[in-house]
Amino acid sequence: SQQGEEDPQALSIQEGENATMNCSYKTSINNLQWYRQNSGRGLVHLILIRSNEREKHSGRLRVTLDTSKKSSSLLITASRAADTASYFCATDAWSNSGYALNFGKGTSLLVTP
Amino acid sequence: IAGITQAPTSQILAAGRRMTLRCTQDMRHNAMYWYRQDLGLGLRLIHYSNTAGTTGKGEVPDGYSVSRANTDDFPLTLASAVPSQTSVYFCASSERGEGEAFFGQGTRLTVV
Repeated sequence: SQQGEEDPQALSIQEGENATMNCSYKTSINNLQWYRQNSGRGLVHLILIRSNEREKHSGRLRVTLDTSKKSSSLLITASRAADTASYFCATDAWSNSGYALNFGKGTSLLVTP
Repeated sequence: IAGITQAPTSQILAAGRRMTLRCTQDMRHNAMYWYRQDLGLGLRLIHYSNTAGTTGKGEVPDGYSVSRANTDDFPLTLASAVPSQTSVYFCASSERGEGEAFFGQGTRLTVV
């Protein structure tokens, strides 16, 4: 089953505001990744945080990871209309067949001018 | 430009027909994945391969098969298409397990 679940499903904010999206997952992970998808396009990698890290920054993005709660958050500061997209968290999963990358259902972010 | 290429971009397919979605990457990545994306369900993993010659089943493998004869190609085959396989299919690759994944532009498949 899907490992990660994003919350909220949809988020609407105005330009300049901050956007926070959350991801909860079920089993232990080695790392957690966040991706962005513009309408009709493939996903683009944003940031990866390892299980031994608690926070990571990249430009206007801030990701936190709480392995005790099995949750992560993605903060986009000073949002822009161009940030309008769907955002997905992805977690790794190991099985007898090897390594796989599982995605959640995503958060749809709308940033209005 | 290096990357991952899917073909076709879109396809309308009669139910019962066989169809192979192609995926090729030129980044020499070891791991490759196939996902389907449906409204409200996000991306669901169909099959994956960690290295040439090996494959594994994801969350929704039924009705699909894959092969990984070499590093670059990872075709997805629908042996006998059904309308529930109408979806957008994405292929992805990563250099190794636990790394950043690169996605193709997707194949929009409609089974009628």
